[in-house]
Amino acid sequence: DAGVTQSPTHLIKTRGQQVTLRCSPKSGHDTVSWYQQALGQGPQFIFQYYEEEERQRGNFPDRFSGHQFPNYSSELNVNALLLGDSALYLCASSLGQFSYEQYFGPGTRLTVT
Amino acid sequence: GEDVEQSLFLSVREGDSSVINCTYTDSSSTYLYWYKQEPGAGLQLLTYIFSNMDMKQDQRLTVLLNKKDKHLSLRIADTQTGDSAIYFCAERSAGNNRKLIWGLGTSLAVNP
Repeated sequence: DAGVTQSPTHLIKTRGQQVTLRCSPKSGHDTVSWYQQALGQGPQFIFQYYEEEERQRGNFPDRFSGHQFPNYSSELNVNALLLGDSALYLCASSLGQFSYEQYFGPGTRLTVT
Repeated sequence: GEDVEQSLFLSVREGDSSVINCTYTDSSSTYLYWYKQEPGAGLQLLTYIFSNMDMKQDQRLTVLLNKKDKHLSLRIADTQTGDSAIYFCAERSAGNNRKLIWGLGTSLAVNP
């Protein structure tokens, strides 16, 4: 039973560039949520995708956008990268948009220089 | 507003019990969670409790919830060196709310 997978594991980008992170949910799950975890902090909710639509969004600017595909996998896109975007980006999957059980992937470590 | 607070560090001896505490402000919280994060790894769901419960036990883990005081605790019995990690408390509000609100995490160090 495959768990949540994310790619790439690590990424280094320059200020102003754009980045795309990918997530495949746990087998049988249809909902993907994205979180940003800065060093020494708890995760911050970015947004959730269900049925290929953004269902809820946290306090993140429009530079952060996403997409969900028919196979339930998801992408997180960040434009015009800032140094402050350096963080661990975590993807969580669940069955149903209101499920109380979320399972997390290992994360993508993004460093912006 | 929504806020979750935890003490930042806890050190225990191997074999002792660990108690990690968390307080939250949202009185409409429905579910409260404990996640474990090991260095360089993602978040592992340890356990969760529904707000109408006051205790939940799962093997070495015991969760206590005092809804009146908005206080949640995680007790790990017979703590092992493999339990060394950061433990996050998170809460989810009622209604059509899909997001979790997280504490800063408690770093648990288990000494042999």
